[in-house]
Amino acid sequence: QQQVKQSPQSLIVQKGGISIINCAYENTAFDYFPWYQQFPGKGPALLIAIRPDVSEKKEGRFTISFNKSAKQFSLHIMDSQPGDSATYFCAASYGGSQGNLIFGKGTKLSVKP
Amino acid sequence: DAGVIQSPRHEVTEMGQEVTLRCKPISGHNSLFWYRQTMMRGLELLIYFNNNVPIDDSGMPEDRFSAKMPNASFSTLKIQPSEPRDSAVYFCASKLPWQGATDTQYFGPGTRLTVL
Repeated sequence: QQQVKQSPQSLIVQKGGISIINCAYENTAFDYFPWYQQFPGKGPALLIAIRPDVSEKKEGRFTISFNKSAKQFSLHIMDSQPGDSATYFCAASYGGSQGNLIFGKGTKLSVKP
Repeated sequence: DAGVIQSPRHEVTEMGQEVTLRCKPISGHNSLFWYRQTMMRGLELLIYFNNNVPIDDSGMPEDRFSAKMPNASFSTLKIQPSEPRDSAVYFCASKLPWQGATDTQYFGPGTRLTVL
């Protein structure tokens, strides 16, 4: 129930294409769903996050789609660029004062020029 | 802003030696997290503190691992004795009290530990 399952493990996309990464969770008590981006040799950094009271959140080329009934959420990267090449992690938490994140296993994205 | 500071950035040691990793959270943050990252297991939460108090250490792999947070600006993760399977990148992260819409954890640059 604590797991967040992420797919695919790796993804290769051509420049200008759409990258889609999916995550699924079991615990309906989760109420905060962030995505983190990690470049080689760096720590993860928050990219975008969503609460379950909305079905979509967009920030620039990055969009989270959230399906509460299916317990799934996904990250869409529009017009993918080589600079987007990184590892992406979805996560979930209960929020509140606890705030510890349960991370997916990560997706390594490569955007080919 | 300095961000989360971790030291050392790289550590190479021999099996059986004691290893101490250090973390300075962002000033004003009241939660601190220690993570371990490996190719096989991904990003695992080891332990986290709220207001310097350990809240959940269920991710600490075994008694060889211990963590302390003596004050709001410093934490250590100690491995004694170290084993080759402890080789990983260890991250420290910190965050502000829960703010509702966003709840960002800020990660440090990590310590790459190699145990020979």
